[in-house]
Amino acid sequence: DAGITQSPRHKVTETGTPVTLRCHQTENHRYMYWYRQDPGHGLRLIHYSYGVKDTDKGEVSDGYSVSRSKTEDFLLTLESATSSQTSVYFCAITRDPQMNTEAFFGQGTRLTVV
Amino acid sequence: EDKVVQSPLSLVVHEGDTVTLNCSYEVTNFRSLLWYKQEKKAPTFLFMLTSSGIEKKSGRLSSILDKKELFSILNITATQTGDSAVYLCAVEGTTDKLIFGTGTRLQVFP
Repeated sequence: DAGITQSPRHKVTETGTPVTLRCHQTENHRYMYWYRQDPGHGLRLIHYSYGVKDTDKGEVSDGYSVSRSKTEDFLLTLESATSSQTSVYFCAITRDPQMNTEAFFGQGTRLTVV
Repeated sequence: EDKVVQSPLSLVVHEGDTVTLNCSYEVTNFRSLLWYKQEKKAPTFLFMLTSSGIEKKSGRLSSILDKKELFSILNITATQTGDSAVYLCAVEGTTDKLIFGTGTRLQVFP
């Protein structure tokens, strides 16, 4: 299995509080992604990173920010959590999309905003 | 706009049946199509199909890619209860991002 871990695995938080999810990889892969998974929507890309301090928005980036200060860590922050952000969040890594390599996923973080 | 559409959304079969899952796509400058199996955890990789590899097989699972008609199918023969899962199709294009379909939920009963 690829060395990718997410933390925490579960979190319940109150509306309006900040939340940070962490994705850690030991594969030295350049590309990292944050997705959310909701019923009927499949996986939707929130943000992705193509290197240290290089990030870009995905299709559902509103309300989220990310940071990548080192290769192995990609943080997803909800500045002020809302109930609509209740979801399961997956982190993924790829070595290099140009080389048609598969993506490896973390185990997911279940976030509940009450 | 890039998109991936999977069908059917849900499928219920009995053990021993053969199932075919469909994935159609529209994506700019197609690079690869991937199939994942998701149970009660993160998706696990099944197959990658590219221009140079349009047919893959692993045990009871097989997949083909039709680049002309822009679709892929995932076949599972002699299904078992352990095959019950959501099967996700994803496509990679020039944006270097994986675009996922909504998945097909397969339930296999004894």
